[in-house]
Amino acid sequence: QQQVKQSPQSLIVQKGGISIINCAYENTAFDYFPWYQQFPGKGPALLIAIRPDVSEKKEGRFTISFNKSAKQFSLHIMDSQPGDSATYFCAASFDNTDKLIFGTGTRLQVFP
Amino acid sequence: NAGVTQTPKFQVLKTGQSMTLQCAQDMNHEYMSWYRQDPGMGLRLIHYSVGAGITDQGEVPNGYNVSRSTTEDFPLRLLSAAPSQTSVYFCASSLDRVGNQPQHFGDGTRLSIL
Repeated sequence: QQQVKQSPQSLIVQKGGISIINCAYENTAFDYFPWYQQFPGKGPALLIAIRPDVSEKKEGRFTISFNKSAKQFSLHIMDSQPGDSATYFCAASFDNTDKLIFGTGTRLQVFP
Repeated sequence: NAGVTQTPKFQVLKTGQSMTLQCAQDMNHEYMSWYRQDPGMGLRLIHYSVGAGITDQGEVPNGYNVSRSTTEDFPLRLLSAAPSQTSVYFCASSLDRVGNQPQHFGDGTRLSIL
């Protein structure tokens, strides 16, 4: 059973636009929500992460918004650039395990 | 500093063959994991280890074995390869638990089972 649902599956954005990727989770025990970025032929790399005690975290052009009551979190990429074209994965884990549960991924394409 | 190194990068096997996917890290990380990545499925945890001599199962452990005799190495063994094991396999390591430290991934092994 997929515990982290990610949408959309693919996303096309024009350069300078805002990219938004959404994730929803079921297990309220999750307490760590990272986003990973993966370029073709490479392994995923941690982009940004959030814990449920804050509603938003920003690092440069990347922002995570977290809605605990709705059990949803999203990644916003401001001023999207062609170099942001990659696959993005949300994930979740809880503190008493060492297991990271990934979403199914979103392929982002940013056109000039 | 090489990070996480996976070998081989590509492999084709016949059904029933066995093989070992190698993973080595030079960051003195205690935590290591194996994932498989399939289209539309994201990454799924196969096995993980919290230190030398300690391993545990993830979401999809069937058909795979692991061992952790040293901190640096965490090989994944396919006992009798099946077409359903065609996938891209990623090894990852972290200094601490997944919620406390980022996981560092290798560049993957692309495995095809005929």
